[in-house]
Amino acid sequence: GAGVSQSPRYKVTKRGQDVALRCDPISGHVSLYWYRQALGQGPEFLTYFNYEAQQDKSGLPNDRFSAERPEGSISTLTIQRTEQRDSAMYRCASSLEKTDTQYFGPGTRLTVL
Amino acid sequence: AQSVTQPDIHITVSEGASLELRCNYSYGATPYLFWYVQSPGQGLQLLLKYFSGDTLVQGIKGFEAEFKRSQSSFNLRKPSVHWSDAAEYFCAVVAGTSYDKVIFGPGTSLSVIP
Repeated sequence: GAGVSQSPRYKVTKRGQDVALRCDPISGHVSLYWYRQALGQGPEFLTYFNYEAQQDKSGLPNDRFSAERPEGSISTLTIQRTEQRDSAMYRCASSLEKTDTQYFGPGTRLTVL
Repeated sequence: AQSVTQPDIHITVSEGASLELRCNYSYGATPYLFWYVQSPGQGLQLLLKYFSGDTLVQGIKGFEAEFKRSQSSFNLRKPSVHWSDAAEYFCAVVAGTSYDKVIFGPGTSLSVIP
């Protein structure tokens, strides 16, 4: 594809609901990253995949957060039982390999009421 | 633990003036260093990166950065700022034992006075 795409761009949900955020990386990119960015802050690393393997999930805040990339392409970040503190911009990035330039998607703005 | 600091939360410069944004990192080995720019409502765009070699790195939009190991710094510079440069700037370091974790600084917000 032309770039990294994310959907939905905006998501408003009620506290306690589950949400699934999708990332479609640039075709052929091996590495895929998820970040969370609070207003006025830098992106905070959540997790990272090489192909379909989740290499590092140390940044996931708690066990309500999970991510998968079953076929080594599209990835889904799932937040269960959302809480208001989960409200943030969730960004996805992909790169040819892990040390290469990361290309960021436009992000999904999640608001938990 | 690895970390990135950007001492200036907000900087205001006049159009045409020179610019330097500071970045300091904490990492034991040689890091891979990046500068990203984020315009309002936009995603992050890579300005430049340093992996090895020449410590003065040229990037897009007329930006450059210099890696100084002795000072653990990677400051971003531009000789003449344009109004369109107003944005949030993030310094980042790729670290971790497998060089796979990216740590971003808190960002510096740049305002440009016409």
